[in-house]
Amino acid sequence: ILNVEQSPQSLHVQEGDSTNFTCSFPSSNFYALHWYRWETAKSPEALFVMTLNGDEKKKGRISATLNTKEGYSYLYIKGSQPEDSATYLCAFRPRSNDYKLSFGAGTTVTVRA
Amino acid sequence: DAMVIQNPRYQVTQFGKPVTLSCSQTLNHNVMYWYQQKSSQAPKLLFHYYDKDFNNEADTPDNFQSRRPNTSFCFLDIRSPGLGDAAMYLCATSRAGREVAHEQFFGPGTRLTVL
Repeated sequence: ILNVEQSPQSLHVQEGDSTNFTCSFPSSNFYALHWYRWETAKSPEALFVMTLNGDEKKKGRISATLNTKEGYSYLYIKGSQPEDSATYLCAFRPRSNDYKLSFGAGTTVTVRA
Repeated sequence: DAMVIQNPRYQVTQFGKPVTLSCSQTLNHNVMYWYQQKSSQAPKLLFHYYDKDFNNEADTPDNFQSRRPNTSFCFLDIRSPGLGDAAMYLCATSRAGREVAHEQFFGPGTRLTVL
């Protein structure tokens, strides 16, 4: 079992504020880290796939960074909007496994208007 | 749009009464997965199909079975549901290989309640 931890478990943000949260994963045998956004009553949706140490990805107001040496990734939301309310899941893919992902429990973000 | 569909979205069953959840995909992906997610926990992989090859996770209870009659469809059978099997069940697909953007595509899930 691969240990993927996300913190905090949940957070509340005022509309317009920025926020960030963490995914930690095993630093050895790294191949890729995935971020998903899961809105209530919808399918989890892929945000980013990150593979290189120091990688930074951006999609609109959401961005993510990756540190494979120390085993963590941050996801940032700039100027949060109510539509950003969702559970954000990260998933670790080790080099030793072709396609299976190990998920964290997610960070649930609630943006208050 | 190509997608992953799960039916039903909500399923209520009685303790011990067999139940089947279904998943279909139009992506023509060769790998299909079933995950179980309980409240505030990480999605837990139960098993997956690589083409027709069934791969069971070591800690998946025998109570859970799966069928994949063709590329598009995959079923999760729970033979004798217990109260502890109440959860969200997610189906996902992917194209297997070593390519980097090996993302999984998910259905919206089936919420199972066991009475």
